[in-house]
Amino acid sequence: GENVEQHPSTLSVQEGDSAVIKCTYSDSASNYFPWYKQELGKRPQLIIDIRSNVGEKKDQRIAVTLNKTAKHFSLHITETQPEDSAVYFCAGLMNRDDKIIFGKGTRLHILP
Amino acid sequence: KAGVTQTPRYLIKTRGQQVTLSCSPISGHRSVSWYQQTPGQGLQFLFEYFSETQRNKGNFPGRFSGRQFSNSRSEMNVSTLELGDSALYLCASSLDNPYNEQFFGPGTRLTVL
Repeated sequence: GENVEQHPSTLSVQEGDSAVIKCTYSDSASNYFPWYKQELGKRPQLIIDIRSNVGEKKDQRIAVTLNKTAKHFSLHITETQPEDSAVYFCAGLMNRDDKIIFGKGTRLHILP
Repeated sequence: KAGVTQTPRYLIKTRGQQVTLSCSPISGHRSVSWYQQTPGQGLQFLFEYFSETQRNKGNFPGRFSGRQFSNSRSEMNVSTLELGDSALYLCASSLDNPYNEQFFGPGTRLTVL
């Protein structure tokens, strides 16, 4: 069935280092992949998204890469800061029924 | 613009009861989606409404239902509550199609005793 798998479930990185979160999807026709950030006690918010006609997209310290052949996409955060601590969700738009399916989330801890 | 609002913010119910949650989308947004959030399970898609019609549905039992009104406000109903229904229920609104950014509400925290 339709599925988006996300790894790791928890990630701790030293402040200033980079963090990478990876996701795979099952529907080969998927063509839209947003990433949401949810800070503790707050609502999820879109931070970046990518469509299948590009392989990479950057926005300041955040970048997302997409490999359609392998059906996986990744979020890269460089020069991490304390305010990056949050849960990050990847998602994929399943083309066959236009459903957005979310991964189970990655809790990112930025260590001082 | 005002953001997405949800009422109530907190609810405590007992098993077997039913509950109705409400979501008011951002003005001009016609799509409203509902998600169940539990620890370790992420955001599980319940259903999406667009122009008063259910456009998509997730893999939840028939006890979970919803509707959308002509002003795009949406309600979600859960009947015959079970302990496992305890969760944060989030709604999200977007302009019209799934490629648009979804704006989430603050959620309704439902506790079933």
